[in-house]
Amino acid sequence: DVVMTQSPLSLPVPLGQPASISCRSSQSLVRGGGGIYLSWLHQRAGQPPRRLINDVSKRDSGVPDRFSGSGSDSNFTLRISRVEAEDVGVYYCMQFTHWPHTFGQGTNLEIK
Amino acid sequence: EVQLVESGGDLVQPGGSLRLSCVGSGFTFRVFWMNWVRQVPGKGLEWVANISPDGSMKRCVDSLRGRCSVSRDNAGNSLFLDLNTLRAEDTAIYYCMAWGASAYWGQGTRVTVSS
Repeated sequence: DVVMTQSPLSLPVPLGQPASISCRSSQSLVRGGGGIYLSWLHQRAGQPPRRLINDVSKRDSGVPDRFSGSGSDSNFTLRISRVEAEDVGVYYCMQFTHWPHTFGQGTNLEIK
Repeated sequence: EVQLVESGGDLVQPGGSLRLSCVGSGFTFRVFWMNWVRQVPGKGLEWVANISPDGSMKRCVDSLRGRCSVSRDNAGNSLFLDLNTLRAEDTAIYYCMAWGASAYWGQGTRVTVSS
């Protein structure tokens, strides 16, 4: 199985400051044809996850533009330009290039 | 409004069976890959199974191989997960999830395997 490794696992950030989460995969996520199937999810306490970013860098509908995704091959990053109170929770990267699809361990973002 | 509503979660003894169901509304169910993802409360996420829009492709993770079957009924906007020979380690919240140009999640249904 493809192992997704996130860092950091805990991320205290002051309001209004930027935040960055790294995600590395144990194998390349490039599929034949060049597609890279890497997404970012956000989960608040007691809620199901919500997808923020699809296909490395495409923001889902309704996701604020302070969220951005980047990366290639096996190295990916989620950035929040200015953290707001509603951004607290756990962030997961997820790959669906290979079966079984796998998730990172999660990064817990809290307000410092 | 988009909704995915799971049901069927229960307390079941080891070795028992369950059928989880999920009904979707507010979106075009038949064009989405449908998925089951589980989460032990307080822990991370694990993909369980998925099925293609027309139902022709389906698979379960290896840890559930032989104990898991995923199916769908597009006429009824429904997704199913049949689990058998359940083990304590199958205890989790099971989420139904639609994946495509958009992604939708249900609130989850709790499965507890315990004697």
